[in-house]
Amino acid sequence: AQSVTQPDIHITVSEGASLELRCNYSYGATPYLFWYVQSPGQGLQLLLKYFSGDTLVQGIKGFEAEFKRSQSSFNLRKPSVHWSDAAEYFCAVGSGGGADGLTFGKGTHLIIQP
Amino acid sequence: AAGVIQSPRHLIKEKRETATLKCYPIPRHDTVYWYQQGPGQDPQFLISFYEKMQSDKGSIPDRFSAQQFSDYHSELNMSSLELGDSALYFCASSLGGDRSFFGQGTRLTVV
Repeated sequence: AQSVTQPDIHITVSEGASLELRCNYSYGATPYLFWYVQSPGQGLQLLLKYFSGDTLVQGIKGFEAEFKRSQSSFNLRKPSVHWSDAAEYFCAVGSGGGADGLTFGKGTHLIIQP
Repeated sequence: AAGVIQSPRHLIKEKRETATLKCYPIPRHDTVYWYQQGPGQDPQFLISFYEKMQSDKGSIPDRFSAQQFSDYHSELNMSSLELGDSALYFCASSLGGDRSFFGQGTRLTVV
């Protein structure tokens, strides 16, 4: 069965500092990996996805993620965070882009300090 | 660009009542997924449909049912509502094996 682990429940970062959110997955085949952001009171918004090809994926809002098969990881990074990045971030794994439904991690709550 | 539309956005029901949530996928998307996100919880997959047929089933209670119609919109029917059903219900759509796009969600409150 597929599973996703986001080991950090909360992360606090100063505005302008770099950010890395961790995600580890367990999946029997080639995974389809996603990062979603959920702002307070809002729905889930797709930041980026990895299906195949280049293992460094660029997303919206200046985010990127790197797929490392050897480590079963898909960590999300941003070189300089903004106060508006404060939100809940979900890593998800699926097959074929979601034909079997996505499995989400528990989420990481990002707090931005002024 | 058109997105996934869910209605209603907010719904308040009493225990043991019935609720129907609707999801209108992005035009030409043939796959719909339903997720439930309880307060402070991660989204849980409930059920999905591909070309109007159920394609996968997750942790959907027997009190819930869903279907996808000929125009590809989907409805999640929830009966005998319980307090624990209070959650944000997300719908997502995709075109075959492509990535999912989520709607804004329906906030269901059972009192």
